[in-house]
Amino acid sequence: KAGVTQTPRYLIKTRGQQVTLSCSPISGHRSVSWYQQTPGQGLQFLFEYFSETQRNKGNFPGRFSGRQFSNSRSEMNVSTLELGDSALYLCASSLEGISSYNEQFFGPGTRLTVL
Amino acid sequence: AQSVTQLGSHVSVSEGALVLLRCNYSSSVPPYLFWYVQYPNQGLQLLLKYTSAATLVKGINGFEAEFKKSETSFHLTKPSAHMSDAAEYFCAVSDQGGSTLGRLYFGRGTQLTVWP
Repeated sequence: KAGVTQTPRYLIKTRGQQVTLSCSPISGHRSVSWYQQTPGQGLQFLFEYFSETQRNKGNFPGRFSGRQFSNSRSEMNVSTLELGDSALYLCASSLEGISSYNEQFFGPGTRLTVL
Repeated sequence: AQSVTQLGSHVSVSEGALVLLRCNYSSSVPPYLFWYVQYPNQGLQLLLKYTSAATLVKGINGFEAEFKKSETSFHLTKPSAHMSDAAEYFCAVSDQGGSTLGRLYFGRGTQLTVWP
């Protein structure tokens, strides 16, 4: 079974631009979560989608948004990029049945650099 | 909100020595607990998980962790370190239900160095 895939792997943008990152979960997984990883703040939760609905959201400004499609693939968008948005963005998927625990499988990440 | 503390941002051991990485969580209700490993330029790989079953959990690559409710701890150990164990290790917790289901709370990570 293929793992979580993220595209692109590397991205360079300039301040003020916007960016869209893509995540394809493991087949059959319905939950997709996004995390931001920086040396200063560590791993921080952005949001989680389940069956096309945002179920959880972390403490990030409205410039960070996401969505999930009917095939469970997810995208996150960051508008008006700031230097501080430079980070590794990780996507994770999980099966998320009613009684399942939250074992998440992570993709390799997208390294975003904002100049 | 959950809080996870990993004592020691850097741990160095010799090859063959015991590895002990510490993790404490803050919750009156035992959460689900996880240890992940991250190699350079890669995502996170699950090492092991605690989900209210046996308190001693065995994972991949010879790692294990013991859940101690009285100490709110979930320390990761490996009897004999190998060079390939050098990586960053993250402890994470997840609520067992409620509005925050689906969210992992991570510690700041511990960088493990293994000396030959």
